Amino acid sequence: GNSVTQMEGPVTLSEEAFLTINCTYTATGYPSLFWYVQYPGEGLQLLLKATKADDKGSNKGFEATYRKETTSFHLEKGSVQVSDSAVYFCALSHTNAGGTSYGKLTFGQGTILTVHP
Amino acid sequence: DVKVTQSSRYLVKRTGEKVFLECVQDMDHENMFWYRQDPGLGLRLIYFSYDVKMKEKGDIPEGYSVSREKKERFSLILESASTNQTSMYLCASSDWRGSGANVLTFGAGSRLTVL
Repeated sequence: GNSVTQMEGPVTLSEEAFLTINCTYTATGYPSLFWYVQYPGEGLQLLLKATKADDKGSNKGFEATYRKETTSFHLEKGSVQVSDSAVYFCALSHTNAGGTSYGKLTFGQGTILTVHP
Repeated sequence: DVKVTQSSRYLVKRTGEKVFLECVQDMDHENMFWYRQDPGLGLRLIYFSYDVKMKEKGDIPEGYSVSREKKERFSLILESASTNQTSMYLCASSDWRGSGANVLTFGAGSRLTVL
């Protein structure tokens, strides 16, 4: 079945450090891939997405590239800020013939990021 | 601003009680979802609905049921709450119809504690 595995957390960084959060997936077909972010006390919101191999999603300084050969979608940011402290979720959308998946998403376990001044 | 609204942010219930979690979206979306979020487990899909009165089981439907009588409203029901249902419950919606990336819009969540 479909699954998403994220790197173990939590991750603690100093402001302006480089961030990588690893994400690998197992899926049939050609899923779309997502990163969602959850700020304290809030629901999840879309950070970025990629719909096909070699696509790069980007938003707010974050980037991730859809790597089919390594089944990965690692999240990176060159210089993190205190305001980036949140929980980050990698996810994939189900696809199947006939479109009966209704776009369900499978999520990874989440990675807690804390950025100190 | 588009919204998914969950009626209760925090609930405390007793074992055996019937619990209703309500979710309303104002985006005229076809699809609605209920996930539960637990530390170390991420989000797990309980049920989803792709049309009024239609529902499909997700990965962990046991102990839950759902109702979708109107397009904008999707309710999660715990018929007899148990302590292992203590969790954060997240509602989401989307208008995905078979092509492109399916982007979910989430509510703020309902944190349920069962004593």
